[in-house]
Formats: sequence, structure tokens, C-alpha cells
Amino acid sequence: KQEVTQIPAALSVPEGENLVLNCSFTDSAIYNLQWFRQDPGKGLTSLLLIQSSQREQTSGRLNASLDKSSGRSTLYIAASQPGDSATYLCAPRKAAGNKLTFGGGTRVLVKP
Amino acid sequence: NAGVMQNPRHLVRRRGQEARLRCSPMKGHSHVYWYRQLPEEGLKFMVYLQKENIIDESGMPKERFSAEFPKEGPSILRIQQVVRGDSAAYFCASSRPPPGPTNEKLFFGSGTQLSVL
Repeated sequence: KQEVTQIPAALSVPEGENLVLNCSFTDSAIYNLQWFRQDPGKGLTSLLLIQSSQREQTSGRLNASLDKSSGRSTLYIAASQPGDSATYLCAPRKAAGNKLTFGGGTRVLVKP
Repeated sequence: NAGVMQNPRHLVRRRGQEARLRCSPMKGHSHVYWYRQLPEEGLKFMVYLQKENIIDESGMPKERFSAEFPKEGPSILRIQQVVRGDSAAYFCASSRPPPGPTNEKLFFGSGTQLSVL
């Protein structure tokens, strides 16, 4: 059974600092991994999807890396802004069409 | 192209009543997933459906819970005889049929907040 852990559980930084969010998973036989953002009381917004054959994926200030063999993914957010304040969730997927398994999330607060 | 639509946004039920949660997937999406998020907890998978088929219901409680995704119309998550412990946010997600890199992203709705009095 896949177990997903996200560290730290919460993070508070001043505006402009770079953010590093860690995700580890116990079953390294994954098909892909998706990072999401969740604002309070809202649904999830997909940020990045990284395939198992990829090492990283980038979108604007966001970069996600994947080390499948060691069961780790890292989300980097450059030059953080107060609008980046949210909970960030990682979710690996075992096979095509399979369910996502979510970590508990990292709650980020970026202070102006 | 509208996103994943869930309704109602908020649902209040008394213990013992039935709750029906609806999810309309994005246009062109034939796969639907339901997740539950308890207060201060992560999202837990409940059920995965294609049209007229339940593919994986390993996360759904055996009693009182059921889900369907008919050929026409939205997917429905039904909870019979609700109890206080059912109070949670229920999220629906949809995707295109796999496989294929562009088909793999799940898109989530805004959720239904169920409160059981």
C-alpha cells in the first residue's frame, strides 16, 4: 500500500524567499506524480504532472523534480509571493488510470 | 470549457437522512474519481468510475455508501442514513481516458461540504 509523506507539514517564509517542499513515497513503482495546490475551502488546482521517465518539470516559477528510485519528489517555488500561500499536495499514481494517493500536504504561508 | 462541476456546494443533513452529491465531469472526460477530506486530514480515495462501470471502489465504506456514473447525466455519490462522522468535504475529479501523458491529469471540482447535524 502506497504511503505518502510530506515534509514539512507547515512552512512560513517572508516574501521573496525560495520554497522547497518535500514529498516521499514508499512504493517507487509509480507511473507519474502530480502536484496540486489547495486554497482554504476550495478544490485542488493542478500545478505540475511529472511522468516516471522524467527527472523534472517546470512551469513558470515552479519546478518539480522526481527521483523515482529513492521515492522522492521536490517542489521548488522561486521568489515566493503572498499569493503562493496555500496547501501543497503531492500525489503519486501507480498505473495509468489508477487512483492518486495523496500526502497530508504542506501548508505554506508567505508573509508580505 | 467549464471545469468539473459539483453540487450542491454545501449540504446539511440530519442524522439518518440521505445525502446525494453530484459531479459533472469536464467535457470529454469519461473517468470520475471521488475523494473525501475530513477536517485537518488529507484526501482519501473513495471510488473510481467510468461511464456505467465501477472500476475501483476499494476506498468506499461497504455500507451506506454507493456511487454511480450513468451513460447520461452526472456521477452521483449517495450516502444513506448519514452519521456525524460523514461530515467532510467530498471532492470529485475527472480525466480523459488513459493512457497518454496529456490524458493523465486529474481536474478537481470545488467540492461539496457535507454537514451532518
